[in-house]
Amino acid sequence: GQNIDQPTEMTATEGAIVQINCTYQTSGFNGLFWYQQHAGEAPTFLSYNVLDGLEEKGRFSSFLSRSKGYSYLLLKELQMKDSASYLCAVTRNQAGTALIFGKGTTLSVSS
Amino acid sequence: DVKVTQSSRYLVKRTGEKVFLECVQDMDHENMFWYRQDPGLGLRLIYFSYDVKMKEKGDIPEGYSVSREKKERFSLILESASTNQTSMYLCASSATLRAGSNTDTQYFGPGTRLTVL
Repeated sequence: GQNIDQPTEMTATEGAIVQINCTYQTSGFNGLFWYQQHAGEAPTFLSYNVLDGLEEKGRFSSFLSRSKGYSYLLLKELQMKDSASYLCAVTRNQAGTALIFGKGTTLSVSS
Repeated sequence: DVKVTQSSRYLVKRTGEKVFLECVQDMDHENMFWYRQDPGLGLRLIYFSYDVKMKEKGDIPEGYSVSREKKERFSLILESASTNQTSMYLCASSATLRAGSNTDTQYFGPGTRLTVL
């Protein structure tokens, strides 16, 4: 079957580091995506992983372990504007066209 | 920059009406998608299209149909709107995965918040 699990909510303070985990099962893996979605807005692309390992992009990093069906998004030096939902998504099949999304993790950053 | 636009940000319709939601992308993307997003349920795929006049059902196609007559435009049709179709509708597009490419990132439009009374 196809399934994605991520925590529903997380809280953190400004300047801290937070790790948002995602575990998945899919019939044809061809990549894992992380999106950020602010309240009332559309999701925006953050990162893409297809190989095992860590991809770093400024304050955000994403890690993938294909053998474990596991990924995490690491946010460093948190800012208030990072308060948003973070969506994990994986490809549904080898063609890689369509994605299945997790329900999202709502991150609240406080001062 | 990729731009995906949707015809309306907010829409209010009555039960039984036929509703058209339009989506246009300007990046010559082959693939286009329609999702709905509801609290606690996340993003759910309704339909997608990988080419003009081609369509595939997603996870929740019941009560919906789609049309893709031109590459840049993908329409979602609610044949007879019902109150349980009140939701945020998001359109997305992506390029086709090609050998040597490592991403088929989906780019989203701003969304249409549909209320069916």
